Amino acid sequence: NAGVTQTPKFRILKIGQSMTLQCTQDMNHNYMYWYRQDPGMGLKLIYYSVGAGITDKGEVPNGYNVSRSTTEDFPLRLELAAPSQTSVYFCASSYSPLGGGGRNEQFFGPGTRLTVL
Amino acid sequence: KNEVEQSPQNLTAQEGEFITINCSYSVGISALHWLQQHPGGGIVSLFMLSSGKKKHGRLIATINIQEKHSSLHITASHPRDSAVYICAVRSVGGNQFYFGTGTSLTVIP
Repeated sequence: NAGVTQTPKFRILKIGQSMTLQCTQDMNHNYMYWYRQDPGMGLKLIYYSVGAGITDKGEVPNGYNVSRSTTEDFPLRLELAAPSQTSVYFCASSYSPLGGGGRNEQFFGPGTRLTVL
Repeated sequence: KNEVEQSPQNLTAQEGEFITINCSYSVGISALHWLQQHPGGGIVSLFMLSSGKKKHGRLIATINIQEKHSSLHITASHPRDSAVYICAVRSVGGNQFYFGTGTSLTVIP
């Protein structure tokens, strides 16, 4: 299994440009998450999905959109890039919703480092 | 104020020392996670706790729900343990996840 893969690894955008961060998992996990990590700050949840066709906002959703058309893929879209979106973005997946039960482990992708200038 | 606070922020230890990292949280939780972020940036889940204690190799995690506190212990620390250790909680009755800012551990040979 490749686990959770993210592309691209690095990207530089100009203000106002748009892009999609790709995330794919091959573990048949229902739950998928997008986080951002700013220097000196904890990870913050942007969006999450509990299954294909179902998404919901996390703590910091403004400026982002997501879709979940398949179990495997959970792309994150930035429509009008702003300098405040400069961050490292992590995608993650899990079998369960991390609230109990077995197989709660959350698997993280390698991250995408995004700079908006 | 952050929902999750970790201490210390930075920790330097000699190889072989016993290490403790603390996590306090202010929200009701359904689960608490300990994560390890390697110097290259990759993140790995270490433990998920909802009560009691878990052990994996040289790592031990405990949680006290009444005191809203968790500890991560590393016995016989080794330079390869050098990483950032992150505490994260999932709120009860919701789908919010809150993360601490991490404890940066350096183990010196």
